[in-house]
Amino acid sequence: DQQVKQNSPSLSVQEGRISILNCDYTNSMFDYFLWYKKYPAEGPTFLISISSIKDKNEDGRFTVFLNKSAKHLSLHIVPSQPGDSAVYFCAASPGNEKLTFGTGTRLTIIP
Amino acid sequence: DAGVIQSPRHEVTEMGQEVTLRCKPISGHNSLFWYRQTMMRGLELLIYFNNNVPIDDSGMPEDRFSAKMPNASFSTLKIQPSEPRDSAVYFCASSSRVGYTFGSGTRLTVV
Repeated sequence: DQQVKQNSPSLSVQEGRISILNCDYTNSMFDYFLWYKKYPAEGPTFLISISSIKDKNEDGRFTVFLNKSAKHLSLHIVPSQPGDSAVYFCAASPGNEKLTFGTGTRLTIIP
Repeated sequence: DAGVIQSPRHEVTEMGQEVTLRCKPISGHNSLFWYRQTMMRGLELLIYFNNNVPIDDSGMPEDRFSAKMPNASFSTLKIQPSEPRDSAVYFCASSSRVGYTFGSGTRLTVV
């Protein structure tokens, strides 16, 4: 039972354009959401997060949007850069330290 | 700070052998997590400890898997006997209240 779903295994975007990565969740108890970025042969690293009391959080080129009624969040990267090519994991927490991760989306930025 | 240290980085073993993965968390982090990454299921939480005590082991696949945390600076994940379907990348992460820091992972191949 996959409580956090990333339905797009891969995404290719041209450099300079917007990248949009999507994530859906099923557990209504989740109230904190995070995005992690993973390069090959490295562990995931924290990118950005959002609490359920907000619907948007922005950090430089990265913005996360949360739609609680749809149980959907998205990560926007603009403008996309070659260094953004990586696997992106969506994660959710019910307010404790336990994170449930999605299956990941491989983003490729085309120069 | 050296971050979360995992060893070995790669492990190739024959089916039926015992495998032990090791993790040294960041000093001062009081929670430690073991995750497994596969293509089909993404990052799955196997077990986590808080103050060296196992809190949730519901993700441990079966009795062949066991984990220990004898002190605040060391944890092991053991698979005995190993099977080909255990082949995956195993990550250890530790956290303070700020968030997770992952190690670089151990790539396990069981032949």
